[in-house]
Amino acid sequence: DAGVIQSPRHEVTEMGQEVTLRCKPISGHDYLFWYRQTMMRGLELLIYFNNNVPIDDSGMPEDRFSAKMPNASFSTLKIQPSEPRDSAVYFCASSPPGAGGPLKGEQFFGPGTRLTVL
Amino acid sequence: GNSVTQMEGPVTLSEEAFLTINCTYTATGYPSLFWYVQYPGEGLQLLLKATKADDKGSNKGFEATYRKETTSFHLEKGSVQVSDSAVYFCALSDGDTDKLIFGTGTRLQVFP
Repeated sequence: DAGVIQSPRHEVTEMGQEVTLRCKPISGHDYLFWYRQTMMRGLELLIYFNNNVPIDDSGMPEDRFSAKMPNASFSTLKIQPSEPRDSAVYFCASSPPGAGGPLKGEQFFGPGTRLTVL
Repeated sequence: GNSVTQMEGPVTLSEEAFLTINCTYTATGYPSLFWYVQYPGEGLQLLLKATKADDKGSNKGFEATYRKETTSFHLEKGSVQVSDSAVYFCALSDGDTDKLIFGTGTRLQVFP
């Protein structure tokens, strides 16, 4: 089975440009999480969805960041305009139904998108 | 609020040495506890978990026991290999939400 798919794997852009990161969760999973990882701040949860509905976006750093999940098999994280401090690895993760029960916490991570903003 | 504290790394060991990575937590209720591993250039993978007190999670020779009395979930392995070199994250499930609370991660380096 395919795991979580993220694209692109690497993105280099210039300050002020719009960046869109994409994620395809594992089929049948109904939770989707976006994380950011940096050396300074570690792993941070940005936002998560359940059944395509945003549940908690308290980790989104500012209005420049937005995330959507138009259907069960696709999500985007957009940064507009991008800044050098947004440089990080962005991970998408998904969880199966029942994540509120015995499977709680079993998140499946994608390989990440390494973003560099010059 | 809920939190996880891990020992700082890096932890540097020779092959076949014994490994312990300490993890303690603060939580209300009865969270589930997890260890995730991140190999270079990859996303995190679930290594093992425990859902209640005194449970022992195990996988690939790694073990961790859910100790409620000491609020700990230390990761151990009897004989590490070079291929175990990675960053290890302790995490707990937040009782009121579907989120995971991660520790800061501990880098393990194993040399031949």
